[in-house]
Amino acid sequence: QLVLTQSPSASASLGASVKLTCTLSSGHRSLAIAWHQQQPEKGPRYLMKVNSDGSHNKGDGIPDRFSGSSSGAERYLTISSLQSEDEADYYCQTWGTGKVFGGGTKLTVL
Amino acid sequence: QVQLQESGPGLVKPSGTLSLTCAVFGGSISSNDWWNWVRQPPGKGLEWIGEIYHSGSTNYNPSLKSRVTISVDKSKNQFSLRLTSVTAADTAVYYCARAPIRNQQLVDSWGQGTPVTVSS
Repeated sequence: QLVLTQSPSASASLGASVKLTCTLSSGHRSLAIAWHQQQPEKGPRYLMKVNSDGSHNKGDGIPDRFSGSSSGAERYLTISSLQSEDEADYYCQTWGTGKVFGGGTKLTVL
Repeated sequence: QVQLQESGPGLVKPSGTLSLTCAVFGGSISSNDWWNWVRQPPGKGLEWIGEIYHSGSTNYNPSLKSRVTISVDKSKNQFSLRLTSVTAADTAVYYCARAPIRNQQLVDSWGQGTPVTVSS
């Protein structure tokens, strides 16, 4: 069964960097994933696609501070030079017989 | 750039039917995209409901499949969601979203969402 696992929470200081992780379940490590950001009281926004080879393709208007990478079954979202508006929930998503979402990571900017 | 706009009643009675429509602007519903419905209960994460291709092919979340129908209206460039026998557990913000085949069927565009409350 295809499952995406995310840590429920993460925190980092203003101006610092943070790396969020999304782990693909066994047997699915070749899949690409998408990262979505959901700021408080707003709808989700597509950030980027991250491929199994570590390459990534960002959505329109996504700042250079956001980048993606991969290692094995793990897909990463790195946010550098953290700003207050980066405080949000971050969801990973992939596709099997249907769409699958991770449980989300709540990022707190200290 | 494609824009999606959900519409429909914000209040549905228990055991009734939830019906929502998503209008597609700036693009064609007949393009090589899958058109999705996703919901988010209060304080919870995102739950995929199902998707449709312009040909009428559909995929549904197994946990909702018996109650869900997604349809497409190419003449109006929109697609719709119908969820029957609703309960309070179906209270959520409902989003429509696009998942292009060229993007490996990963969602790349979202509507702003519409809240639906199930209550008598």
